[in-house]
This record gives sequence, structure tokens and C-alpha cells, in this order.
Amino acid sequence: SQQGEEDPQALSIQEGENATMNCSYKTSINNLQWYRQNSGRGLVHLILIRSNEREKHSGRLRVTLDTSKKSSSLLITASRAADTASYFCATDRGGSNYKLTFGKGTLLTVNP
Amino acid sequence: DTAVSQTPKYLVTQMGNDKSIKCEQNLGHDTMYWYKQDSKKFLKIMFSYNNKELIINETVPNRFSPKSPDKAHLNLHINSLELGDSAVYFCASSQDGEGAFFGQGTRLTVV
Repeated sequence: SQQGEEDPQALSIQEGENATMNCSYKTSINNLQWYRQNSGRGLVHLILIRSNEREKHSGRLRVTLDTSKKSSSLLITASRAADTASYFCATDRGGSNYKLTFGKGTLLTVNP
Repeated sequence: DTAVSQTPKYLVTQMGNDKSIKCEQNLGHDTMYWYKQDSKKFLKIMFSYNNKELIINETVPNRFSPKSPDKAHLNLHINSLELGDSAVYFCASSQDGEGAFFGQGTRLTVV
């Protein structure tokens, strides 16, 4: 079954630096979404990029999507300690397939 | 008001017991889900419902039975709990394929 794979599995940076996380997937998609999960909490939706889009911005977040390579990246600029969390990509094949398929996540640690 | 609320937040129970987790969303969404997150943080879909109808049952054992009395609720009942059922269970909802809203999770520990 289709599954996103994020890399790196873990990333540690200093406050103010940029963080880039990548996601690869295996089959065609309708859209790709990124989520954040703070320790012990639920997932929070960050941004959704559709299969016909190549780049999207939201505040300090920048997401790219390359459907030919079946990959996406999430860039967090000017990171803050509060950005420390696990980040997951999830793919949606659309149609009547009511299902998000999640990757294994990247644990981002932003050191103050 | 919490958009997606699930109860209880923590559940510790013995093997063989039956337990239920409740989920309610006040967003008016048509689609609701149950996901299981294991100890390695891997999230796997269990069930999805659209307008109270079961859409996806992702090879979940029969011991797990979801029930959707109405569009705003999707409860999960688990019979004969096993050690391997220990995990965090998340309820979520979405509309028209947009981003999903997740509950805070129920940490189930089977002893």
C-alpha cells in the first residue's frame, strides 16, 4: 500500500535556522498534507498542497510538491523552540478513498 | 469548544476486557476516522466513515467495532483486549478531502 516516507527521521537545529523535511510516496495522489504533532498531543494540520500545485506558502512554512518524483518538502524558516515537534506528511488519493496515508515522521528539535 | 473531542484520554485495562472510546466532532464534517499510533509513532488508519456509512475497514480485527450513531459521532468498541492493542488511538474528521482535524488521542494500555 502507498506510504509516505519522511527523511530525515530526526533533525536537530538551532533557533533561527531553517529546517527542511522531505517526504516521498509511491502512488498517484490528489493532495499531500503536512501535520505537526507535539509530544503527547494530537496532530495539527499545517498545509495542504494539491497535485496540480508545485509550491505553497503559509507563514514561515513553504511546501513544494514534485509529482514526477513523487516527493514533497516542508521548509520551516527562522525556526523557534516552539517548532519542536514531529512532522508527518500524509497523502490523499481523493475520490471515494476516504483515507490519509501517513509517513513515519520527522522529529524536529529546535534548540534555544 | 474543542473541534474533535475523544474520551477517555487515558485507559488502562486488563487483557480480555471490553472497552469503548467515544469521539465527537462539532465541525459539521461528513467524514470521520479512527487511527492507531504505535510506539514508534507510526499512524495507521483503522476505519473511515462518511455520512455514518463505513467506507474503509483497514484489515482491523473483528474485535474492533466502530459505531456511528450520527454524523457527529464515531465511537470505537474493542472486545477481548490484547496486549498488542496498547497504543494511542486518534479520532479525526474532515470535509471534502481538506485537512483533517484530530482529537487529542486516547492512550490505551492493556496489562
